[in-house]
Amino acid sequence: NAGVTQTPKFQVLKTGQSMTLQCAQDMNHEYMSWYRQDPGMGLRLIHYSVGAGITDQGEVPNGYNVSRSTTEDFPLRLLSAAPSQTSVYFCASTQRGQGDYGYTFGSGTRLTVV
Amino acid sequence: GESVGLHLPTLSVQEGDNSIINCAYSNSASDYFIWYKQESGKGPQFIIDIRSNMDKRQGQRVTVLLNKTVKHLSLQIAATQPGDSAVYFCAEKGRTGNQFYFGTGTSLTVIP
Repeated sequence: NAGVTQTPKFQVLKTGQSMTLQCAQDMNHEYMSWYRQDPGMGLRLIHYSVGAGITDQGEVPNGYNVSRSTTEDFPLRLLSAAPSQTSVYFCASTQRGQGDYGYTFGSGTRLTVV
Repeated sequence: GESVGLHLPTLSVQEGDNSIINCAYSNSASDYFIWYKQESGKGPQFIIDIRSNMDKRQGQRVTVLLNKTVKHLSLQIAATQPGDSAVYFCAEKGRTGNQFYFGTGTSLTVIP
């Protein structure tokens, strides 16, 4: 049982390049989300999905796209990378419903845009 | 909008002492809170949660206290160990869906 798997772990992009950060979970969780973590700012929600085929914007969605074609996968796309997108990105998932709403987080992708 | 903040960005404690990490939140309608622990190079890990109909909840060596009157959360760690050294975040559930809003974190250092 791998939990939440993020790839790659590290990435360097040039300004204007595009790329996709991968996220997969094997817990059959309905809810998945992407956060970015910057020094002194905690984690900020980029996009989230409450199930396959459904996505919505979080606090800081600009410059990012997501899709949710399957329950397992929730990729994050950077359309045209900018230095302001240098950050650590975390994918997380949880099961909806009553009880424990705690997220399971991936180990993160450290992205540097030069 | 909602905001979650922490009173102290860093905290150093002696091994074996108790640690208290504080968190303020702004949305009086928030009904669910979580504390996370993040070790260096890893993603946040769920520690303990509490709902707004509770004032206190205990886990293994950890206790979360909720004071709704002053919109304040605290995480107490008993007999702090070197393995407790990490950044601790409180998170507040948003009004809709499962979105959570995170504070900036408190870095806890345990001195052997």
